[in-house]
Amino acid sequence: EVQLVESGGGLVQTGGSLTVSCAGSGFNFNNYAMSWVRQAPGKGLEWVSFISGSGDATHYADSMKGRFTISRHNSKNTLYLQMNSLRAEDTAIYYCAKIDSYGNHNDYWGQGTLVTVSS
Amino acid sequence: EIVLTQSPGTLSLSPGERATLSCRASQSVSSNYLAWYQQRPGQAPRLLIYGTSSRATGIPDRFSGSGSGTDFTLTISRLEPEDFAVYYCQHYGNSHFTFGPGTKVDVK
Repeated sequence: EVQLVESGGGLVQTGGSLTVSCAGSGFNFNNYAMSWVRQAPGKGLEWVSFISGSGDATHYADSMKGRFTISRHNSKNTLYLQMNSLRAEDTAIYYCAKIDSYGNHNDYWGQGTLVTVSS
Repeated sequence: EIVLTQSPGTLSLSPGERATLSCRASQSVSSNYLAWYQQRPGQAPRLLIYGTSSRATGIPDRFSGSGSGTDFTLTISRLEPEDFAVYYCQHYGNSHFTFGPGTKVDVK
């Protein structure tokens, strides 16, 4: 059974940094691209970032480019999202999601971790 | 950049009724790259449909997807109590994913 478990969310001050993690199990982690998707309170889904299975290719939504860094440690079956220069509008639940072998949709999602940015 | 628009914003229906949800892209997209997700309150999103019309594993056949070009549709043939939720369409292109704003299906 595929499982994705996020951790590392919490309260952080405006301008601060935070790294959230996602532990995957039940599938060959290094064979699949992964993504982060976020959801601000009461709002819709917003794609954040993508990373290939090997970690060689990464992509970001324009509003996160330069502030967020996606990475993965395949031997630990773990995905990361490092977030810098955090703003109030970054407050959201951050979901990690596995990308299907077709490479164009998210077939499994974690339950999310809440990041709150406040002064 | 592709922009997805979903309509209606809210769909108020009764259990047993048919639901038709629309997703419109700002320019023509490949049908291979259009997916639909369901999100129940307090839960993570769940993949329903990928490649415009292929049901994901375990998804009941009352859910179906169709469309091409700029216009795509998710149909729920007969609403069950657990189907009242928010539905999002998603497009993949140029190494980026884009979500529509969602359609909420609630109880009339």
